[in-house]
Amino acid sequence: AQSVTQPDIHITVSEGASLELRCNYSYGATPYLFWYVQSPGQGLQLLLKYFSGDTLVQGIKGFEAEFKRSQSSFNLRKPSVHWSDAAEYFCAVSPGGTYKYIFGTGTRLKVLA
Amino acid sequence: NAGVTQTPKFQVLKTGQSMTLQCAQDMNHNSMYWYRQDPGMGLRLIYYSASEGTTDKGEVPNGYNVSRLNKREFSLRLESAAPSQTSVYFCASNHRDFNTEAFFGQGTRLTVV
Repeated sequence: AQSVTQPDIHITVSEGASLELRCNYSYGATPYLFWYVQSPGQGLQLLLKYFSGDTLVQGIKGFEAEFKRSQSSFNLRKPSVHWSDAAEYFCAVSPGGTYKYIFGTGTRLKVLA
Repeated sequence: NAGVTQTPKFQVLKTGQSMTLQCAQDMNHNSMYWYRQDPGMGLRLIYYSASEGTTDKGEVPNGYNVSRLNKREFSLRLESAAPSQTSVYFCASNHRDFNTEAFFGQGTRLTVV
């Protein structure tokens, strides 16, 4: 069955430090890949997406993610975290040709001043 | 530019009551989705509508019904609410033919007592 794993439930970093959030998926072919961010009480906002092509994708708010086919991973990175980045982050996959988005369980990011 | 609009934002129901969650999008998307979000479980797909006139079950459809009223609107109905349906519900839409990502509403926080 298709699945998405975000192994870190909570991550705490200091403001200005670098960040990497992990995402692994289980699917036979290359799916469409997404990272969303959710601030408290809000809906989900797209940070970035990968459909094909360059495996390093740039998103909004200074985020980037790298697709690694050999590792079935799509990790999210940011070189310098800001206090406003504190939120919950969701990785999602959409197997090509279907209408379903499968979400990971999320990683809650806390930023220390 | 409203995007995806959900009503109501908050609702408290008694066990056994019924209600309909409304969702409308103004982006001319052909596909629409209903998800529920529970702590530690990410977002799980309840029902989706790939195009106007079609609906299909997602991962957790039991206890729910949906109606794709027209291209803009996709409603979710709870016929007899149960405490297990206490959750945050999100509606989303996208245009699969153009490979767009899913756009989300702000959510409906439902409590069943």
